[in-house]
Amino acid sequence: EVQLVESGGGLVQPGGSLRLSCAASGFTFSKYSMNWVRQAPGKGLEWVSYISSDSTNIHYADSVKGRFTISRDNAKNSLYLQMNSLSDEDTAIYYCVRISYNYVLYYFDFWGQGTLVTVSS
Amino acid sequence: DIQMTQSPSSLSASVGDRVTITCRASQSISNSLNWYQQRPGKAPKLLIYAASNLQSGVPSRFSGSASGTDFTLIISSLQPEDFATYYCQQSYNTPWTFGQGAKVEIK
Repeated sequence: EVQLVESGGGLVQPGGSLRLSCAASGFTFSKYSMNWVRQAPGKGLEWVSYISSDSTNIHYADSVKGRFTISRDNAKNSLYLQMNSLSDEDTAIYYCVRISYNYVLYYFDFWGQGTLVTVSS
Repeated sequence: DIQMTQSPSSLSASVGDRVTITCRASQSISNSLNWYQQRPGKAPKLLIYAASNLQSGVPSRFSGSASGTDFTLIISSLQPEDFATYYCQQSYNTPWTFGQGAKVEIK
């Protein structure tokens, strides 16, 4: 059974930093690209960042570029999101998401339960 | 960035009703369109990928179709567990973007 378990969320002051982790199990983690997607309270879904299976290809949403860093450790079956210079606009549930593809079409086929990040003084 | 616009934003329906949700892309995205269901307090769940392909384990009452830049999600006979918010998402290019969501409520 595919499982994605996020951790590391919590309350942080504006300007602070936080590191999210995602522990993957039930599939060959090293063969899959991964994403972070977030959802502000009562709002819709926002894609945050992408990393390819071998970490050679990385993309960020403009809203987090230069502040967030995605990384992975395939030996530990883990995905990370280092978040710096946090503002209240970053308050959201952060989901770890697996990416699958059909030829060149990508889709997000498994989601973790999410971890809540609250930025507030 | 590619904008995804869903309609309606919300609707009320009864069990057994046929429900149609539309998603329009701001430019051509081929068939790079996915649909997700999110129940309250839960993570999103993939329903349809590549516009019309049913994800494994998803009931056959869900279907998707495409016509140009317009995409449609149909629930043929609404069930109690289908009351949720539905999101479309384009995977044509980054930044991958979602529609604003369509909330299906009980009439």
